[in-house]
Amino acid sequence: QSVLTQPPSASGTPGQRVSISCSGSSSNIGSNTVNWYQQLPGTAPKLLMYGNDQRPSGVPDRFSGSKSGTSASLAISGLQSEDEADYYCAAWDDSQHNYVFGIGTKVTVL
Amino acid sequence: QVHLVQSGAEVKKPGASVRVSCKASGNTLATYYVHWVRQAPGQGLEWMGTINPSGTYTRSAQRFQGRVTMTRDTSTSTVYMDINSLTSEDTAVYYCARERVEYSSSFIFDAWGQGTLVTVSS
Repeated sequence: QSVLTQPPSASGTPGQRVSISCSGSSSNIGSNTVNWYQQLPGTAPKLLMYGNDQRPSGVPDRFSGSKSGTSASLAISGLQSEDEADYYCAAWDDSQHNYVFGIGTKVTVL
Repeated sequence: QVHLVQSGAEVKKPGASVRVSCKASGNTLATYYVHWVRQAPGQGLEWMGTINPSGTYTRSAQRFQGRVTMTRDTSTSTVYMDINSLTSEDTAVYYCARERVEYSSSFIFDAWGQGTLVTVSS
């Protein structure tokens, strides 16, 4: 159980837009930036988004991030089969003095 | 592109200790904070702690304080994590991860090791 709440699953057909929410509180998302990681099956996580909405070099621009208040979201537009993975949001938590991850959202491409 | 290479899988008995190492190609760890993150089977990611570039400062998640020790050998640019008093709940894949920016502890992990499976079983 995490202080960052994500839906356990999300799905879409190729080409669709999928959005993943990450809900927190004033001690984490409300006061710190959010990062997102993508974990393909059987591999190490990969940085997908940092500072709420910044894409690292090499990440396609169909991935976008946003934050409002104590919630953040990751959107994938033009969903592709290679996007099938687990997605984790993360942020520093001032109350727990800990870097916390969401439970992860498994994205399935139908 | 930096590659972090971790030590191989370990099988330990309850109560034992384990050391996991993490080394980068070239000298690309020397000026970066390094973090450790673990993932139990079928579970999510859990941050464990971090060590600064010189190895003079470490910070652990509260639940690991007193049981996890992070060190680094600056001469070989290798980072180590020791975990003692292992229990079955420590069975997990352990990842090292490098900060995105030199000398920064912003918790943005832009390079990850391949992971080290530690199995704790009697």
